[in-house]
Amino acid sequence: GENVEQHPSTLSVQEGDSAVIKCTYSDSASNYFPWYKQELGKRPQLIIDIRSNVGEKKDQRIAVTLNKTAKHFSLHITETQPEDSAVYFCAANRIGGFKTIFGAGTRLFVKA
Amino acid sequence: DSGVTQTPKHLITATGQRVTLRCSPRSGDLSVYWYQQSLDQGLQFLIQYYNGEERAKGNILERFSAQQFPDLHSELNLSSLELGDSALYFCASSVAADDNQPQHFGDGTRLSIL
Repeated sequence: GENVEQHPSTLSVQEGDSAVIKCTYSDSASNYFPWYKQELGKRPQLIIDIRSNVGEKKDQRIAVTLNKTAKHFSLHITETQPEDSAVYFCAANRIGGFKTIFGAGTRLFVKA
Repeated sequence: DSGVTQTPKHLITATGQRVTLRCSPRSGDLSVYWYQQSLDQGLQFLIQYYNGEERAKGNILERFSAQQFPDLHSELNLSSLELGDSALYFCASSVAADDNQPQHFGDGTRLSIL
């Protein structure tokens, strides 16, 4: 069945360093890949997304890369700040699909 | 503010009881999704509605049911509640039915079963 694997489950970095979270999906028809950030006790919020017709997308300190051949995509956060500490979820959707498949989440700690 | 409204914010009840969670989607959104998030766990997809019709089902228990009304608000009904049903329940909405659009989440309803 459809599956999205996310690694690592926990990531601890020093403030100012980069953080990378990786996801692998199983459904080759997937074509939309959003990333959500969830702070403690709050709702998930979309931070960036990418569609299968592009390989990379950037928004300030955040970037997402997509490798369709390998069926994996990654979130890159540069110059991390303490406020980046949260749980990050990747997800995958496909054309005509009605169900978003979420990864299990990565808990990011940014140490000041 | 995502524009998605969930009520109530908190709900405390006992085992065996029944509760109803309510969600109003963003203006213009036709799809509503329900998710369950247990403590320190991921987002478990329960069910999706589009314009009043059920479109996709996830790991939703038979004790749970949902519907979307003509005004597009949705309700999630949980019955014969068990301790393990204690969780944060999120509603999300999106514009389309095919799920290729961002989902906008409400602030959730925290359900505690005593």
